[in-house]
Amino acid sequence: DAKTTQPPSMDCAEGRAANLPCNHSTISGNEYVYWYRQIHSQGPQYIIHGLKNNETNEMASLIITEDRKSSTLILPHATLRDTAVYYCIVLYNFNKFYFGSGTKLNVKP
Amino acid sequence: DAGITQSPRHKVTETGTPVTLRCHQTENHRYMYWYRQDPGHGLRLIHYSYGVKDTDKGEVSDGYSVSRSKTEDFLLTLESATSSQTSVYFCAIMTDGSGNTIYFGEGSWLTVV
Repeated sequence: DAKTTQPPSMDCAEGRAANLPCNHSTISGNEYVYWYRQIHSQGPQYIIHGLKNNETNEMASLIITEDRKSSTLILPHATLRDTAVYYCIVLYNFNKFYFGSGTKLNVKP
Repeated sequence: DAGITQSPRHKVTETGTPVTLRCHQTENHRYMYWYRQDPGHGLRLIHYSYGVKDTDKGEVSDGYSVSRSKTEDFLLTLESATSSQTSVYFCAIMTDGSGNTIYFGEGSWLTVV
């Protein structure tokens, strides 16, 4: 039970913002939302995580709705190198990260 | 890469043989994990460890065992490899503290023929 729902694929034009949605309607009060991505067959790469407030780092921004039932990962200026599978994860049981199927982001020139 | 090393990176083995994959970390993190990844299934947790000699099962633990005799090493063993265990295996560690973050190794490609 991955506890998250993501669209299977999305397209984005190079240089534009990529907005990747995630639904986590059963999230509990103390559960964090994490985002990872995986490029080809490399190990998943950590992007960002948050609890209630919006977060920003050098890679992306994370917007969490007030009711915490959904979130959006924003890549402000997508490049071809951002083409990857993006996983939204809810920290289910303190130390068990369950990955769903993710969203395949295709950044096109 | 959080100081994670997996070995071997690639292995081909025959059905019925035992196989051990090793995950080594250099930063003394308490939590370590083994995942497998197959087409159409994303990443699935096999086993995890929360300290020396402390391990627990994940969602796809059948056919696998693990051991952690030292903080830095987490071993995944396939006692009798089957073709269904052909997969890419990823080791991961979780950093300590609030808002814990998991970092992954580069993967071990295992083919069982």
